[in-house]
Amino acid sequence: QLQLQESGPGLVRPSETLTLTCTVIGGSISSGDYSWGWVRQSPRKGLEWLGSIYNNGFSDDSPSFRSRASLSVDTSKNQFSLRVSSVTAADTAIYFCARYDYDKSVDAFDIWGQGTAVTVSS
Amino acid sequence: DIQMTQSPSSLSASVGDRVTITCRASQGISPFLNWYQHKPGVAPRLLIFGASSLPSGVPSRFTGSGSGTDFTLTISSLQPEDFATYYCQQSYSSPRTFGQGTRLEIK
Repeated sequence: QLQLQESGPGLVRPSETLTLTCTVIGGSISSGDYSWGWVRQSPRKGLEWLGSIYNNGFSDDSPSFRSRASLSVDTSKNQFSLRVSSVTAADTAIYFCARYDYDKSVDAFDIWGQGTAVTVSS
Repeated sequence: DIQMTQSPSSLSASVGDRVTITCRASQGISPFLNWYQHKPGVAPRLLIFGASSLPSGVPSRFTGSGSGTDFTLTISSLQPEDFATYYCQQSYSSPRTFGQGTRLEIK
């Protein structure tokens, strides 16, 4: 059974860059009709999709985060990553990585990680 | 962006009850509506995709229905493990957007 595991710093100072990594366990990041995305959960905004990246490196970003967020994939490590620059307290949230099955008969986030909490504070 | 509105925002119910959660989209999205279950500290779980399809392993007491802008998730007979927060999400267009969640609590 494929699993996803997020890793990150836990605490980030305002104006710095947040980097999160998701490791794909029990399967290959390169196989199948999937993209690999990030969703965050905060009390203020609920669940927000930040963006997704395909195996070929093409990314689909939410307009709300496009100016600050970038995604990358490292198929050799079976990982994908999210970088968010110039963080503020509003970026405090639980960040989930998730697999998106873009087969049109599914078109959903079908596997999620447990999430990693990020606090932005000095 | 397509706005997703769930109701109610919270709900108290008992084991064995039948419950219904509603999700309304700001424009037609059929059938690109998904439902997720989330418990604190656990990975969210896909419950329904394509408005009414159940992934393998999801119990048949969960039913999704609806079309156009209005969709529902029904749990026919609540079990103790069903107390969680439920989210709808549209996959009709980018950016993918979620409802604000419905917290299902034990009465």
